[in-house]
Order: sequence, then structure tokens, then C-alpha cells
Amino acid sequence: QVQLVQSGAEVKKPGSSVKVSCKASGGTFTTHAISWVRQAPGQGLQWMGRVIPFLNTGNNAQIFQGRVTLTADTSTNTAYMELSSLRSEDTAMYYCASYALEGLNEIYDSWGQGTLVTVSS
Amino acid sequence: DIVMTQSPDSLAVSLGERATINCKSGQSVAHTSNNKNYLAWYQHKPGQPPKLLISWASNRESGVPDRFSGSGSGTDFTLTISSLQAEDVAVYYCQQYYGTPSITFGQGTRLEIK
Repeated sequence: QVQLVQSGAEVKKPGSSVKVSCKASGGTFTTHAISWVRQAPGQGLQWMGRVIPFLNTGNNAQIFQGRVTLTADTSTNTAYMELSSLRSEDTAMYYCASYALEGLNEIYDSWGQGTLVTVSS
Repeated sequence: DIVMTQSPDSLAVSLGERATINCKSGQSVAHTSNNKNYLAWYQHKPGQPPKLLISWASNRESGVPDRFSGSGSGTDFTLTISSLQAEDVAVYYCQQYYGTPSITFGQGTRLEIK
């Protein structure tokens, strides 16, 4: 099973950008893809998008279109989520989660520990 | 996007009693080609990432206690905890993975001890 370790907490100003990393071990991007899910305070889980490193493709949720960039470095088995034009509503815990490429069914059996992003002036 | 609606929003159950959480999808998440339901359940405890409990509506993940079970098909699904334990206090989410490109979760059900 893939283990995912995310980068540390961030505090950002409104209008700036944040980039969160997610390093995979115990598995590689030839067998797994990564999705990003966030949880704002008091809210539920919200899917942000996916990156399929092996195919060099992915999708973002429409609500984030233009603001989120999902990338992956297959040489280091690290995925990245960059969110721009930050606003206070983007304050949330951000998770990466992996799923097996076989079947491309997004069943998230491994999750990162989460990265808290706080947007405050 | 497929809307997932859970009920109830919160639930209080006595230790040892049964807990039942429902999830309804806005359209069927059953694929006609394989008759599989593209529905998963997660347990989310404070300070931890979500944990996968069940996939394909009823397939319990390895290591998940057998008091957890999933059922349902098409648009209506249920997560049942047959005998609630203290460690089961959490928020539970259903998730559909049928409607690509977008994945959607239910709003969550908070489970507490009565």
C-alpha cells in the first residue's frame, strides 16, 4: 500500500499562492494516481482534482478551474497542488489521496496526513 | 456532478446498539456493464485523514471490523455498524466514483455515543 507524506502547514496572505507537496512511498506513480481533497472548518470533504502521472494528465473540479494546478514529478514520486488567488474561504485542511491505476476507480485507500493552509491578512 | 445526500446529518447511538447511515445519489452509480455500484464509505476522525471502510458499496476493506457493513444499489445505500463501539465515534462519508471526471462526497454524518 502506498504511504503518502505531505508538506507542513502554511499561512498565506489573501491573493497569494500556496504549493503543497505529497510524496509517495511503497508504491510508484506507474501504478497509482493522486487526487486532492480538502476540508474547510466545519465542512465536509470536497474533491479538488486528480493527476495521473503515468499518463501525464488529470482533471480539476470545475469550481477550482483556473486557480488550481496539479502536477507530479515521477522521478521523485511527488505530487503537487498549487492554489492561487487565495481567499479566506480557502482556509482548510488539504489532503492528497492515492488510488490504483488499474481500473482507474477512485477508491482512496491511502491518504496523506493533511496540510493545514490558513489564509489570513 | 452527481449529488450525494446523506441522512441523518448526525446520529447518537448507545454503545452496543446498531447505527445506520443512509446515502442517496442523484443518479444511479451502478454501471450496467458490470453491475457494480461505484460507491465507497469513509470514516473520518478528528486529527486523522479519512479511512476507507467499504468500496463497491459492500466490499469491506482488509482490517475493517466486521461490525461495519455496506449495502444498497443504484441510488440508495446504507452503512451499518452492528454494535457500536466507543472508537467508532467519527464522521462518516459516502463517495461516488462513477461520475468521472468529478468525484463527489456526501455532506457527512456525525456519529456520537448516546
